[in-house]
Amino acid sequence: GEDVEQSLFLSVREGDSSVINCTYTDSSSTYLYWYKQEPGAGLQLLTYIFSNMDMKQDQRLTVLLNKKDKHLSLRIADTQTGDSAIYFCAEIGRYGNNRLAFGKGNQVVVIP
Amino acid sequence: DAGVTQSPTHLIKTRGQHVTLRCSPISGHKSVSWYQQVLGQGPQFIFQYYEKEERGRGNFPDRFSARQFPNYSSELNVNALLLGDSALYLCASSLKAYEQYFGPGTRLTVT
Repeated sequence: GEDVEQSLFLSVREGDSSVINCTYTDSSSTYLYWYKQEPGAGLQLLTYIFSNMDMKQDQRLTVLLNKKDKHLSLRIADTQTGDSAIYFCAEIGRYGNNRLAFGKGNQVVVIP
Repeated sequence: DAGVTQSPTHLIKTRGQHVTLRCSPISGHKSVSWYQQVLGQGPQFIFQYYEKEERGRGNFPDRFSARQFPNYSSELNVNALLLGDSALYLCASSLKAYEQYFGPGTRLTVT
């Protein structure tokens, strides 16, 4: 089934790199995603990776996928105060109806 | 281009009442999905519609219903509201099935 787990809280200094981790259970996941949610706002699609890839880089964001361990990570380089938010990983699995299954989220607090 | 829009932004209802939430997708997007986000949790899938047909339903009671109109906008209806229905209701639209873009949400409070 679809089950996504995330750790809850990360504090990072401005300018440092931050890494957020996620594990999932559905080995048939086709796409894996990172969404960002700022307080009181909806979800912003940051990036996604297809399951046959192991890395994707997009400006300050690097996504790593370890399919063997069902582990997804998001690295944010040069973390800025505007990166303070809750980050959700999500997957689309085998059922073909494109329903996203989300983790509980990881709150990132950037300290100036 | 405008993103996904939702109305209203906030809503307060009492138990037992009915609510209708509205969503307009990004222009050109034919698929709309609804998610419920309870405070402190990740969003949970409720419905997906494509070309006015229901393509998926999550684990929600029959009190929840939805529809999509010819212009691809959508409504989510919830009957007989319970306190536990208090949440942020998110709408997402997509052109490519694997790219879903979310609106700002409707915050529903049931008292």
